[in-house]
Amino acid sequence: DAGITQSPRYKITETGRQVTLMCHQTWSHSYMFWYRQDLGHGLRLIYYSAAADITDKGEVPDGYVVSRSKTENFPLTLESATRSQTSVYFCASSADGMNTEAFFGQGTRLTVV
Amino acid sequence: GENVEQHPSTLSVQEGDSAVIKCTYSDSASNYFPWYKQELGKGSQLIIDIRSNVGEKKDQRIAVTLNKTAKHFSLHITETQPEDSAVYFCAEPRGSQGNLIFGKGTKLSVKP
Repeated sequence: DAGITQSPRYKITETGRQVTLMCHQTWSHSYMFWYRQDLGHGLRLIYYSAAADITDKGEVPDGYVVSRSKTENFPLTLESATRSQTSVYFCASSADGMNTEAFFGQGTRLTVV
Repeated sequence: GENVEQHPSTLSVQEGDSAVIKCTYSDSASNYFPWYKQELGKGSQLIIDIRSNVGEKKDQRIAVTLNKTAKHFSLHITETQPEDSAVYFCAEPRGSQGNLIFGKGTKLSVKP
């Protein structure tokens, strides 16, 4: 199916574990983004990527790692999960950067216990 | 950097009434202002956007107005319907890549 998909939709993990959230888009969009959404904070940018093999930090990158070996995939890894990383994570993609429409995935609800 | 200020955080209206959500941005050089709608359990979707060369843009029941002098832009929804109930986010592009910085969101409830 065309679009942007995230997996898993829900994840519970323990403090200190590594966890990877997946994001896949079928449009060949150049730009991809990871946001986290927390009550009272709205959507905050974690990392973004302008093209394959090009990534950069956003507002709240600490504790996260990204990679983009292929245009269509942009996984987000929490190397050692902490309770403060409990959140809903949204991946997005855009053809020409964030001055044009961004398309969001359905989100991954991550709980760190 | 500074947040995009968005008000109110919650808004409850009767079906058929109008709803207005306002955002204040910080960078006078910003030239693109989108509004996104997030329905429960879903990702956000662009509903309308405006560029700085116009003061107003309308699409059926929704409109966005831009006041560059005051650095405000507002979302207007007329004749609200229950399906308008959602969280609405404004955003402002920042930095050389134009990454979107979002407001904290407004939860709109439309009561039938």
